[in-house]
Order: sequence, then C-alpha cells, then structure tokens
Amino acid sequence: EVQLVESGGGLVKPGGSLRLSCAASGFTFSSYSMNWVRQAPGKGLEWVSSISSSTSYIYYADSVTGRFTISRDNAKNSLYLQMNSLRAEDTAVYYCARGSGGDYNFDLWGRGTLVTVSS
Amino acid sequence: EIVLTQSPGALSLSPGERATLSCRASQSVTSSYLAWYQQKPGQAPRLLIYGASSRATGIPDRFSGSGSGTDFTLTISRLEPEDFAVYYCQQYGSSPLTFGGGTKVEIK
Repeated sequence: EVQLVESGGGLVKPGGSLRLSCAASGFTFSSYSMNWVRQAPGKGLEWVSSISSSTSYIYYADSVTGRFTISRDNAKNSLYLQMNSLRAEDTAVYYCARGSGGDYNFDLWGRGTLVTVSS
Repeated sequence: EIVLTQSPGALSLSPGERATLSCRASQSVTSSYLAWYQQKPGQAPRLLIYGASSRATGIPDRFSGSGSGTDFTLTISRLEPEDFAVYYCQQYGSSPLTFGGGTKVEIK
C-alpha cells in the first residue's frame, strides 16, 4: 500500500526540541521530493520545508529557518524534521507530503502528527 | 512571497448545485503552478487539481480548475454530499510555497 506514516510528535516545552519522522512505503521513495506542511489547530495549511529527491535542494519557510532541519534517508525510505528552539506558535499537526512528479504540489499525505509546545 | 487570497471564505450550497471558488495571487504564478486541495474534518488534505487545470489521479470530472497569471478558479459542477469540505489553493512556482486561507463549502 502506498502510504506515509508520521511519528515523533508530542508535548514539549518552549525552547525544547523534537524530531519528527515519516516512513514511506509502496513507492520508490528516492524518486520523489518530500515535504513538511503544518496546520495549527483550527487554522489553514502552512508549508514548512521541502527536500529534493537527491537532497540537492532544500527549502524552508522563513518562520522556521535556522530552527528546523529537514533530512532524508533514501535507504530507509524515511523523511525527518529536526525541530529546535520550539515556540508556542509551532503548535500544529505536522504532515509529511510527497511531491508530485518532480514538482512541489503534494499528491500523497500522511495522517499527521501533533506537536504541542506548552509549558 | 506570493500571497493567495481565497474567496468567498464560506459558501452555503445545496447538493446538486454548482460551486465556484476563487483564488487570487498577489503576483503572477509561474507557469500556472497552482494546485487545489480538499480537506475534510480530521483528515489530511487531498490533491484535486495541479498545473491550474489538470485533475489528479482518481478525481471525478465534476471538479475542474481554470485560470492563469493571478486569477484561478475551482469549479464543482454538481455538488455531491461528500464534497462539503474546506478547499485550499497552493502555488508552487516560487519559494516560499504558499497556501490560500481556504474556502469552506457547507450544506445549505
């Protein structure tokens, strides 16, 4: 089955760190760009970060630049997001999403993992 | 940064009616790299349209996208009960990638 499964979310204090993972299956992971998109409770979608299939290109939203790091392990079919210096405004459901056909629209999404930043 | 403004914010319609959703960009979207997503409560978004007018795999033909430059439209020709949801547009022609604020299509 073609799917993405996120893990690693939870409750963390402001200033803390968390590492999200996304396990891919059912498709050739190494051929696709991968992305993180988040959604704060009751709010809209916000793009967080993207990484190309070969890791040659990496992009971040201004709101997370310098604090978050995206990476991937094509041998393990896995995507990661290292989140440091977390703030209350980072509270959201974080979705892993596959880039479609070399572009950066998202044709496959995981169910998401909730990150709550609170003291 | 390209800002996407969706209108209306909410749309109250009956099953069988036509829905027309607008997405306006603050500057021209490169190569019509504009996508539409549907999101239902508690679910991840689903890709409906990419490249402004191409339907994603498995999307019914009652969904259609049009537009170029700064003005884009998603049309649902005849609303089915499962179409009541929130719809987002996204531009992916330039970084940062951006989403519109969403249009909620609700049952009248």
